[in-house]
Amino acid sequence: SAVISQKPSRDICQRGTSLTIQCQVDSQVTMMFWYRQQPGQSLTLIATANQGSEATYESGFVIDKFPISRPNLTFSTLTVSNMSPEDSSIYLCSVARGRAGELFFGEGSRLTVL
Amino acid sequence: RKEVEQDPGPFNVPEGATVAFNCTYSNSASQSFFWYRQDCRKEPKLLMSVYSSGNEDGRFTAQLNRASQYISLLIRDSKLSDSATYLCVVVGNQFYFGTGTSLTVIP
Repeated sequence: SAVISQKPSRDICQRGTSLTIQCQVDSQVTMMFWYRQQPGQSLTLIATANQGSEATYESGFVIDKFPISRPNLTFSTLTVSNMSPEDSSIYLCSVARGRAGELFFGEGSRLTVL
Repeated sequence: RKEVEQDPGPFNVPEGATVAFNCTYSNSASQSFFWYRQDCRKEPKLLMSVYSSGNEDGRFTAQLNRASQYISLLIRDSKLSDSATYLCVVVGNQFYFGTGTSLTVIP
């Protein structure tokens, strides 16, 4: 398994502001993944954070809106920029580990934008 | 077409019942399959991997049918603590999650 610490666990933000979510893993990993889970929906991959290179974004997600940092092999941040109520969601970081490469998740950051 | 299709339920079953969930997937080249459990306001947690030969862990049995492109999860002797949302996951070029099936076990 993996121990993944994510913060903040929740926040309430005003429209137009930005929030940075931090993710710390207990050991070095090559790739970290950022997911979004909107209310009543499943998980959607936002981007893959690679150490030493630009993050790889999925269709529908752009760097200007969701800038990602990956300064080392155990840490990453996701910023939600210029927030609107549509950004209200749970944001989860994860790593793939284990014999079958299964995903392990942080506890999630529940964001509410007013 | 979605990569993974999953019946959202909800499934409401009495304690002791047997319940089964299915997921279908569209990419025949998918390599790995998992079932995750997600409790309310919590992150998803791995329940079990799904192997071609099927696998069993206590009251839980997972199976893969490659020919028909579906995976299943069977829960026997349901407990109140089994109440959660169950997510199927299919791995191709990324992890694709089903929308989750809600299970409530009733006393």
